[in-house]
Amino acid sequence: EAQVTQNPRYLITVTGKKLTVTCSQNMNHEYMSWYRQDPGLGLRQIYYSMNVEVTDKGDVPEGYKVSRKEKRNFPLILESPSPNQTSLYFCASSLTGREDIQYFGAGTRLSVL
Amino acid sequence: LAKTTQPISMDSYEGQEVNITCSHNNIATNDYITWYQQFPSQGPRFIIQGYKTKVKNEVASLFIPADRKSSTLSLPRVSLSDTAVYYCLVGYGGRGSTLGRLYFGRGTQLTVWP
Repeated sequence: EAQVTQNPRYLITVTGKKLTVTCSQNMNHEYMSWYRQDPGLGLRQIYYSMNVEVTDKGDVPEGYKVSRKEKRNFPLILESPSPNQTSLYFCASSLTGREDIQYFGAGTRLSVL
Repeated sequence: LAKTTQPISMDSYEGQEVNITCSHNNIATNDYITWYQQFPSQGPRFIIQGYKTKVKNEVASLFIPADRKSSTLSLPRVSLSDTAVYYCLVGYGGRGSTLGRLYFGRGTQLTVWP
């Protein structure tokens, strides 16, 4: 089954404790992206990657890191999480040239205390 | 970056037709207009895309006027299960673009009542 898999689905952590949210897709998509979703603010793009070893900032990259060493994986790293990063996070992927049609994961709900 | 404006929320009753309009005044020539649907506790999913005039599929219809500065998503005879957030997305992806920056905006919360 074609899918984008995020792990974990739920995470509670404390301020300053480094964490990684993994994202994997099995559709051989070149493009991958991370979003955060907050009440009243909709979906905002954090980082995106057009292909392996190519990443770029979205609208809200501060406090986040990403890496794209393999085509199928695009982890989101919070080196020193803060409470304002409490949010619902989505990973998505698509074919290059069709970035407007994305496949989303089920989401990761993160709480930073 | 082609930004969009949609109503924050809309209410409807079962069986009615719902039209959600999105404004995108600075749409570029090569941009397509794409709509997504997001149910609670799920990721958004693609429902329809168009460039001009009218597009229809089994889920919805999309109407785009000649100037392409707006678009209207039409959901026929909605049911309770159509309660969701609907996002309008324009450009910086897809055909004619080389950038991956995308702007989903705040979306429209559609609530369907019995």
